[in-house]
Amino acid sequence: NAGVTQTPKFQVLKTGQSMTLQCAQDMNHEYMSWYRQDPGMGLRLIHYSVGAGITDQGEVPNGYNVSRSTTEDFPLRLLSAAPSQTSVYFCASRPQTISGNTIYFGEGSWLTVV
Amino acid sequence: SQQGEEDPQALSIQEGENATMNCSYKTSINNLQWYRQNSGRGLVHLILIRSNEREKHSGRLRVTLDTSKKSSSLLITASRAADTASYFCATDVGSNFGNEKLTFGTGTRLTIIP
Repeated sequence: NAGVTQTPKFQVLKTGQSMTLQCAQDMNHEYMSWYRQDPGMGLRLIHYSVGAGITDQGEVPNGYNVSRSTTEDFPLRLLSAAPSQTSVYFCASRPQTISGNTIYFGEGSWLTVV
Repeated sequence: SQQGEEDPQALSIQEGENATMNCSYKTSINNLQWYRQNSGRGLVHLILIRSNEREKHSGRLRVTLDTSKKSSSLLITASRAADTASYFCATDVGSNFGNEKLTFGTGTRLTIIP
């Protein structure tokens, strides 16, 4: 049982490049989400999904795209990277969508856009 | 804007002392959760308190919730060097299926001095 797995761990992009951050969970969780963490800002929700085929925007969705074709995977796509997207990205999942369930985090992906 | 704000932003105490962190939030919640983040790692769930609860204990952790003041506190008793980390409160405000959004505060950085 690996939990929530994110790849890559570190990535450097040039402005305008696109890339995909991968996230996979093996706990059969319905709910998955992506956060970004910036100094002094805490974690901010980018996108989330309550099940395969269902996604919705969080607090800071601009510049990011997601899809949920399977229960296990929830990739985050940067369409045209900008320096403002330099951040640490965390994928998270939790069982069910009923309020009160613990959320499980991946180890993070450090992204630098130059 | 952030739903939760932790106070203080940083706290340094001697090993063995108690550490208290506070969290204030803005809107009505279903529950409030506390997470710990070690440097360079993902967040780990510590404890959850529901909106109809006032106090909860888990080992050396004690959490209180005052919904009238929209605030919560996390007390870590008999601190250890391994407690050095950042601590975040998170509020769960979703009430409908497919509307679950966990919103994090900006965190308190706790340093335990051996």
